[in-house]
Amino acid sequence: DAGITQSPRHKVTETGTPVTLRCHQTENHRYMYWYRQDPGHGLRLIHYSYGVKDTDKGEVSDGYSVSRSKTEDFLLTLESATSSQTSVYFCAISEGGTDTQYFGPGTRLTVL
Amino acid sequence: EDQVTQSPEALRLQEGESSSLNCSYTVSGLRGLFWYRQDPGKGPEFLFTLYSAGEEKEKERLKATLTKKESFLHITAPKPEDSATYLCAVQGLESGYSTLTFGKGTMLLVSP
Repeated sequence: DAGITQSPRHKVTETGTPVTLRCHQTENHRYMYWYRQDPGHGLRLIHYSYGVKDTDKGEVSDGYSVSRSKTEDFLLTLESATSSQTSVYFCAISEGGTDTQYFGPGTRLTVL
Repeated sequence: EDQVTQSPEALRLQEGESSSLNCSYTVSGLRGLFWYRQDPGKGPEFLFTLYSAGEEKEKERLKATLTKKESFLHITAPKPEDSATYLCAVQGLESGYSTLTFGKGTMLLVSP
């Protein structure tokens, strides 16, 4: 298994509260990604990072922000959670931008 | 815009009954096509990357093939432990660096 951990693994929160999900890697890969997975949709890219403090938006970035202050950590923040952000969130890593992406175990987030 | 369509949505096989899963794609230019396996409650697990038409890759009972419009994942003499959802993703030349477009997956159930 790729050395990727996500925390928390499960979270229940209320509408309007801020939420931060953490992804930690031990592979020293340059690229890190946040996806969400919902029934009836494929995995969709939220944001990605191509280096410390270097990030870019994905397909579904509205309502989310990210930060990467260290190579090993990539944080996803929902500034004011909404019920539409109830989902399973996956972190992924890759050595380069065109290389294979390896996924973490996921975080199940429920927004009530 | 890159698009990926997987079929069938679900497939039930008897142990030993070989079959194929389909991934049809539309990209402006293919950088790579990826197959992943996903077990319930877990993150996607990388299986194969294919880069050009005619390419084939094998791993145990799985064989992935690629044409200019689609990819097949052939499963030979499947076992119950092959039960999972299989995801296909493409990376296009013009869709944005690091961007993967995923299909919705094929849920495979292999009965003993």
